[in-house]
Amino acid sequence: GESVGLHLPTLSVQEGDNSIINCAYSNSASDYFIWYKQESGKGPQFIIDIRSNMDKRQGQRVTVLLNKTVKHLSLQIAATQPGDSAVYFCAENPGTSSASKIIFGSGTRLSIRP
Amino acid sequence: NAGVMQNPRHLVRRRGQEARLRCSPMKGHSHVYWYRQLPEEGLKFMVYLQKENIIDESGMPKERFSAEFPKEGPSILRIQQVVRGDSAAYFCASSPNGQLEAFFGQGTRLTVV
Repeated sequence: GESVGLHLPTLSVQEGDNSIINCAYSNSASDYFIWYKQESGKGPQFIIDIRSNMDKRQGQRVTVLLNKTVKHLSLQIAATQPGDSAVYFCAENPGTSSASKIIFGSGTRLSIRP
Repeated sequence: NAGVMQNPRHLVRRRGQEARLRCSPMKGHSHVYWYRQLPEEGLKFMVYLQKENIIDESGMPKERFSAEFPKEGPSILRIQQVVRGDSAAYFCASSPNGQLEAFFGQGTRLTVV
C-alpha cells in the first residue's frame, strides 16, 4: 500500500555485488507494476515495468520478478555501481480496463560501499 | 520531446498566502498525476486528472487544496492559506493513457515560513 510516514529502510551493498530490493503490494487486482529510482533532489525515474501475466522481465542490468501468489515484487541490480545509489520505489497500477492512479509502495534507500 | 516540466522548482510562501504549482505534461500526454513527498518518505498520491476532468481526488485534502488541468495550458495545483505542514516536495507525472508508466517532473519544493 502507500507509504505512510515510515522512515526508509536502507540496503548497503558492496560495489560490484548484486542488489536485491523487495516490495510487497496490497491490491491483488493490480495488473501493472513499475520500479522507479529517485536520486536526491530529483523526481522519480522509470526503471522497468512488468505486467501481471509475466513473472520475470529483464532490462539492462536490472531484472524484475513478480510473485502474484504472495503479492511480492523484487528488483535485482547486477554489478551495482556508485551511480545506483538512490531510493527505489515500487508502484502498482490497479487499473485494468480503466485508467487509475499509480500507487507507490514504501521505498528502499540503496547505498554502495566502495 | 521535453519531459514533464514543473515550475517553479522552489517556492517560498508565508503562512496564509497562496501557492500555485504548475505542471506541463509531456507532449501527447493527457493524464496528469500529482504527488506529495515529505523528506525521507514515499510519494503520497493526491489527485489524478485528465484534460478538463478530475478523475480521482481521493488523496487531496478537502480544504484549501484544488487542482485543475484545463483544455489549454498546464495543470495547476493550488494551495490556499498555506500552513507550515504544507511544506513538502510536490511532484507531477504524466502518462499517455493512464495505463502505462508515468513520467515525473523534477518537482516543486514548497517551503512555508
